Amino acid sequence: QKEVEQDPGPLSVPEGAIVSLNCTYSNSAFQYFMWYRQYSRKGPELLMYTYSSGNKEDGRFTAQVDKSSKYISLFIRDSQPSDSATYLCAMHKYAGNMLTFGGGTRLMVKP
Amino acid sequence: DAGVIQSPRHEVTEMGQEVTLRCKPISGHDYLFWYRQTMMRGLELLIYFNNNVPIDDSGMPEDRFSAKMPNASFSTLKIQPSEPRDSAVYFCASREDRGAATNEKLFFGSGTQLSVL
Repeated sequence: QKEVEQDPGPLSVPEGAIVSLNCTYSNSAFQYFMWYRQYSRKGPELLMYTYSSGNKEDGRFTAQVDKSSKYISLFIRDSQPSDSATYLCAMHKYAGNMLTFGGGTRLMVKP
Repeated sequence: DAGVIQSPRHEVTEMGQEVTLRCKPISGHDYLFWYRQTMMRGLELLIYFNNNVPIDDSGMPEDRFSAKMPNASFSTLKIQPSEPRDSAVYFCASREDRGAATNEKLFFGSGTQLSVL
């Protein structure tokens, strides 16, 4: 079993929909959680970063961490076709520790 | 800054041939990482360097893979001999040494799509 699990999708939604992307993990030592966005034929880029449990909002994006359930989410409001990409969750245990990535969820937002 | 630069963007080779992938990290970044991405296994860390020194190569699949970082602005990943199962997208990434800061923000290149026939 992988340390970090993500549904690979694809997830197809109409423009304007609210999107929920999720990851589960098995190692309770993870403290720092990130979401990377990867467009086709490009490298991943950091989208959101959160520490421990709670919510963080940045524009249309909200990252949520529930450490008690070992579950993290990324919500996208008013989704746009330009949001179509693969979203990878990533996490690490402490400063300087290497990132562990999920497999990524492919999102398609249709006009 | 132009970001992390990788070359070539695409490489098609025949089984048994030597393949060399190249990376120029962002200037001032102290860490450099080589990742491999496949549909089956996702993004896997192969090796990383700190200040040009290899720190952890436990992700390198086997002796056919080697990586070097002769200076702060250049790194190579070599596969010799290449095999069809090495076909994947290989990414280079770099980041600053932020000391006690906890944000592991990696900057990725656009990757090299390797196809071994």
